[in-house]
Amino acid sequence: DTGVSQNPRHKITKRGQNVTFRCDPISEHNRLYWYRQTLGQGPEFLTYFQNEAQLEKSRLLSDRFSAERPKGSFSTLEIQRTEQGDSAMYLCASSSGGLAGPSGTGELFFGEGSRLTVL
Amino acid sequence: DQQVKQNSPSLSVQEGRISILNCDYTNSMFDYFLWYKKYPAEGPTFLISISSIKDKNEDGRFTVFLNKSAKHLSLHIVPSQPGDSAVYFCPVNAGNNRKLIWGLGTSLAVNP
Repeated sequence: DTGVSQNPRHKITKRGQNVTFRCDPISEHNRLYWYRQTLGQGPEFLTYFQNEAQLEKSRLLSDRFSAERPKGSFSTLEIQRTEQGDSAMYLCASSSGGLAGPSGTGELFFGEGSRLTVL
Repeated sequence: DQQVKQNSPSLSVQEGRISILNCDYTNSMFDYFLWYKKYPAEGPTFLISISSIKDKNEDGRFTVFLNKSAKHLSLHIVPSQPGDSAVYFCPVNAGNNRKLIWGLGTSLAVNP
């Protein structure tokens, strides 16, 4: 399977604990995105990497959140001191550079998401 | 303040008929529009896109129409199939970095 891979798929944690999610993008894609989706909402942009450089962060990404992409391949999203409001689906997506991807359609390819439940 | 609005939370259609999903946006500078569908507990899957230089794009059963003056786009699915039952989103590309801005989605149910 050469799609975007995320793990763990589900994580249940107690408030105050730290959690880390991993995303492995499509191998030839240099852009990687993290989004968050809560129930009844559309995905919300969190942050974006081009290769290893983190080029944009949403104001939704508080100081408790940190994302890395150390070698320009996989990425991690860590949430420290989790709160109940952090419960959501965390989605990772990748794409090639420029306005249009290899297929010319400009789409992002999403993984299946990591669902976080904070008790 | 929603920049992308999907005013119909849900839509129910009979199998074989046409499904029409609508989307409105607020910023005339948006220049690339996409449709994704999402099944529960899965990530969104790309369906079709359109750039602002076109007013129609077609791919199999899916056709997207763009009305720039009205800042409105729609997705037509014909014929609709039960497997099309999902939540449909119409994110817009907000710049070269492909940061997508999403609406709340429309839940489509195609009844056999």
